[in-house]
Amino acid sequence: VVMTQSPLSLPVTLGQPASISCRSSQSLVYSDGNTYLTWFQQRPGQSPRRLIYKISNRDSGVPDRFSGSGSGTDFILKISRVEAEDVGVYYCMHGTHWPPGSGYTFGQGTKLEIK
Amino acid sequence: QVQLVQSGAEVKKPGASVKVSCKASGYTFSNYGMSWVRQAPGQGLEWVGWISAYSGNTDYAQKFQGRVTMTTDTSTSTGYMELRSLRSDDTAVYFCVRDTAASGAADPSHWGQGTLVTVSS
Repeated sequence: VVMTQSPLSLPVTLGQPASISCRSSQSLVYSDGNTYLTWFQQRPGQSPRRLIYKISNRDSGVPDRFSGSGSGTDFILKISRVEAEDVGVYYCMHGTHWPPGSGYTFGQGTKLEIK
Repeated sequence: QVQLVQSGAEVKKPGASVKVSCKASGYTFSNYGMSWVRQAPGQGLEWVGWISAYSGNTDYAQKFQGRVTMTTDTSTSTGYMELRSLRSDDTAVYFCVRDTAASGAADPSHWGQGTLVTVSS
């Protein structure tokens, strides 16, 4: 599976919305009917932090200005109003441990900066 | 709360080995697995491999096959990643990540703080 993000650079004015696209080379619908598409945020100098799992489920403590949507092969992360603390790199990711060697595939990352 | 605390930075010479540890707390360690992901300076994220703390099953990325070994110690809730025959392009921050215990869809959630491994002569 290849994950392709766009844009790779995203300058945004504070308070304005932002949107990141993630496209997979094949359907991410798993045999259990779930779609395992995850979004991570990596702030400068920090470890990645999971924001969204299974397309649209927000993790505990994640502000509700973050939302995920999509299906099949096309997914979007939206930030309704960008704040200064949102600066960082955002990665989409799909993973499976079967067949062996599949592992995680990450998108290239989208760098969000304040204009 | 879930916490993953990794061992400190390492400096190694080419050809040497490194073993990074990741001590988990805040959850039942044997009910989950652990993946390892690395990030070279200024680069993106690269999966290294996974181990189930429940079964001991492992799954390694093809490029690391034969050079990496992942283990867990359920008595201390600690995961380990050993990488051998180090090269300069192994210089990276290595993260442990809590993952599923079963072979199937991955479900990474919590990340360690990262361990910088520098390979230099």
